[in-house]
Amino acid sequence: NAGVMQNPRHLVRRRGQEARLRCSPMKGHSHVYWYRQLPEEGLKFMVYLQKENIIDESGMPKERFSAEFPKEGPSILRIQQVVRGDSAAYFCASSPSFGSTGELFFGEGSRLTVL
Amino acid sequence: GENVEQHPSTLSVQEGDSAVIKCTYSDSASNYFPWYKQELGKRPQLIIDIRSNVGEKKDQRIAVTLNKTAKHFSLHITETQPEDSAVYFCAAARSQGNLIFGKGTKLSVKP
Repeated sequence: NAGVMQNPRHLVRRRGQEARLRCSPMKGHSHVYWYRQLPEEGLKFMVYLQKENIIDESGMPKERFSAEFPKEGPSILRIQQVVRGDSAAYFCASSPSFGSTGELFFGEGSRLTVL
Repeated sequence: GENVEQHPSTLSVQEGDSAVIKCTYSDSASNYFPWYKQELGKRPQLIIDIRSNVGEKKDQRIAVTLNKTAKHFSLHITETQPEDSAVYFCAAARSQGNLIFGKGTKLSVKP
């Protein structure tokens, strides 16, 4: 059973470009979470999605950031018009349902560098 | 919303000593408290968790205690080994909620 798969693992963008990060949850998991980790800092919650629904996006900036988890395919975190401050590691995690074990299974992360 | 504070931010111990990391949380409705270990450049991995219906849980050299009244919980690692060196994150969540993490503790175990 493959774990949470994220791609790309590393992404370099110039200011003003768009970044798209993909996350395929573990098989059988229908809940996806995105976290951002700045260097030497903790994991900051961004958004929680179930298939075709955004459950909680309270941690996601209102502008330039969007997330989706379509019926088919991976979850996508999209950052438009990137700025240097967007440089970070973006971790995706999945769970079967929060009411079960509560454990989140994390992917290896996508490291975004904005030049 | 929930706020999780974690201390200390860095901790250095000699191999064989014990290490203790403490966290406090603000949301009295939180009922799930996991601890994650993150090695450099790697993904966070769950090492132990505790739910609000118990006060203590142990797994070999790792134990977690929870004081719901005071809203704090702690991670205890005994007989530390160099491979325990990593960043440790505590987190808290309520049912059907997302995990809110502390800022992490960088543990260094010196041989």
